[in-house]
Amino acid sequence: DSGVTQTPKHLITATGQRVTLRCSPRSGDLSVYWYQQSLDQGLQFLIQYYNGEERAKGNILERFSAQQFPDLHSELNLSSLELGDSALYFCASSVGGAADEQYFGPGTRLTVT
Amino acid sequence: AQKITQTQPGMFVQEKEAVTLDCTYDTSDPSYGLFWYKQPSSGEMIFLIYQGSYDQQNATEGRYSLNFQKARKSANLVISASQLGDSAMYFCAMRGYNQAGTALIFGKGTTLSVSS
Repeated sequence: DSGVTQTPKHLITATGQRVTLRCSPRSGDLSVYWYQQSLDQGLQFLIQYYNGEERAKGNILERFSAQQFPDLHSELNLSSLELGDSALYFCASSVGGAADEQYFGPGTRLTVT
Repeated sequence: AQKITQTQPGMFVQEKEAVTLDCTYDTSDPSYGLFWYKQPSSGEMIFLIYQGSYDQQNATEGRYSLNFQKARKSANLVISASQLGDSAMYFCAMRGYNQAGTALIFGKGTTLSVSS
């Protein structure tokens, strides 16, 4: 158990819908990262937050947004869902320093039908 | 741009044998970190080992060691005495310390199958 929690574990929804994925980092970790794992794109970085502020953006679509709240949990919002958004979405956290390992949550498997 | 290359889609090994999973990387950053993660069929990503670009010695964590050859830009994972539970997908990843924050860039992974 990495100490990072993600809910829900599985999510099935229809095209055009909007969903919210939730992540709670390990106690004491200030950085939260979101990654997407799909068969065709592999593991891709989406976005990073550090202590409530956006730190870096990767290959995140405009239909996707995220935020980190004062209690450091984070949410990833996916809207106008398409079939191609079906993937495993991971949240990871780290203390925030330059040499920190990132610990991954169990992931949320999103299926868009 | 930073890039991780894992050229072995699949590797097969017998229990108790050692296995090396290859990873090469490309970066122009003078300071970076290299990681290996294990992803079993259940899907979770498990951190295995970390090597900093300025570390003089190769990292080791139990049965895992990282063979870091900076001049060749390689960071191979060595698993000694393989076990059936080692069967999984293994990802090499790199983190640079640049404007892109500290996100990880992953290779495509290598599937390791351990047989009895």
